[in-house]
Amino acid sequence: EGQLVDSGGGFVQPGGSLRLSCAASGFTFNTYVMTWVRQAPGKGLEWVSAISGGGDSTYYADSVRGRFTISRDNSKNTLSLQMNSLRADDTAIYYCATSGGVALRGWFDPWGQGTLVTVSS
Amino acid sequence: EIVMTQSPATLSVSPGERATLSCRASQSVSSNLAWYQQKSGQTPRLLIYDVSTRATGIPARFSGSGSGTEFTLTISSLQSDDFAVYYCQQYNNWPLTFGGGTKVEIK
Repeated sequence: EGQLVDSGGGFVQPGGSLRLSCAASGFTFNTYVMTWVRQAPGKGLEWVSAISGGGDSTYYADSVRGRFTISRDNSKNTLSLQMNSLRADDTAIYYCATSGGVALRGWFDPWGQGTLVTVSS
Repeated sequence: EIVMTQSPATLSVSPGERATLSCRASQSVSSNLAWYQQKSGQTPRLLIYDVSTRATGIPARFSGSGSGTEFTLTISSLQSDDFAVYYCQQYNNWPLTFGGGTKVEIK
């Protein structure tokens, strides 16, 4: 069964940068679309970004496009999210998740445990 | 962007009763719909995908139905472990979108 472990969260000032990582194990990583989903404190779920198995296709929510970059290293079974120009409304728990289904778009299972990003002055 | 609207926002149900949660899409998502359960302080868990297919290990008391723009998650007989927030999600179009959630609480 697949397992995902998120890391890299922390406290950052507005305008700053942070890089999140997600370590995958227990499945053939390079055959799955991977995604990031976030959840602001006390709020619902928001899809952030996705990347194809080979890393050649990427997708972003409008709220993060141009500021966030998703990438993957299939040799290390690792997913990353580089977050630049951070804003207070980026404050959230960030989850990596595996995308199910045969298309690039799918459901999310499994999920990492999440890593908290706090953007504040 | 496809907007997913869940109702009601809060559902008060007694243990053993049936719970019916609704999810409406602003345009057709075909059968590309999933449901998740999230307990307080925990990671979301996939319950159902492709409208009605239960994920591995999900009890049969959870069932999904619908197509196009109207979807339903039914919990046939609520157990204490089922009190949580439930989200629907469409994966028919980019960007992928979630509903705002339905909180199922003890009556």
